[in-house]
Amino acid sequence: NAGVTQTPKFRILKIGQSMTLQCTQDMNHNYMYWYRQDPGMGLKLIYYSVGAGITDKGEVPNGYNVSRSTTEDFPLRLELAAPSQTSVYFCASRNLDWNYEQYFGPGTRLTVT
Amino acid sequence: AQTVTQSQPEMSVQEAETVTLSCTYDTSESDYYLFWYKQPPSRQMILVIRQEAYKQQNATENRFSVNFQKAAKSFSLKISDSQLGDAAMYFCAYRSDRTGANSKLTFGKGITLSVRP
Repeated sequence: NAGVTQTPKFRILKIGQSMTLQCTQDMNHNYMYWYRQDPGMGLKLIYYSVGAGITDKGEVPNGYNVSRSTTEDFPLRLELAAPSQTSVYFCASRNLDWNYEQYFGPGTRLTVT
Repeated sequence: AQTVTQSQPEMSVQEAETVTLSCTYDTSESDYYLFWYKQPPSRQMILVIRQEAYKQQNATENRFSVNFQKAAKSFSLKISDSQLGDAAMYFCAYRSDRTGANSKLTFGKGITLSVRP
């Protein structure tokens, strides 16, 4: 299993541009999450999904959109990039069983200038 | 809402020595999970150890152990026989066991651990 994969690893955007961060997991996990990590800070939840077709907002959803058309994929969309969205973005997934933990992807470092 | 506090931004330990990283949390819930995650320079988030709140016994994973004090809402991580590879950022995290919480993690700000050879 590849686990949780994220693309791209790095990206520089200009203010106002749009982009989609890709996240794929091959573990058939129901739950998927997007977090952002600002410098020197812990991770904050942006959006999450409990299954295909179901998404909900987390702690910091403004400026982002998500979709979950399949179990495997959970893309994060930035519509109008702003400097405040400069961060490292992590995708994570988890099995339905409460005893299982979240598995994290390697992260995407995004800079908006 | 739950909060997780890691008040020490940095710590340093001599190789082969023991170090304790502190974490406190605030919650009104009785059932939850607590975690320590390690984030090395590669950025990959690695689960170090997990503690279920209903268990009185402190969790242990090889050189890593926790001191879980539920009444005090304290959850510290002890690293024994520190190794150079332990140098990383460590995050304390909370997860509710409440139905509908959807297993979201709440993280502290993290602590940077350096290991001196």
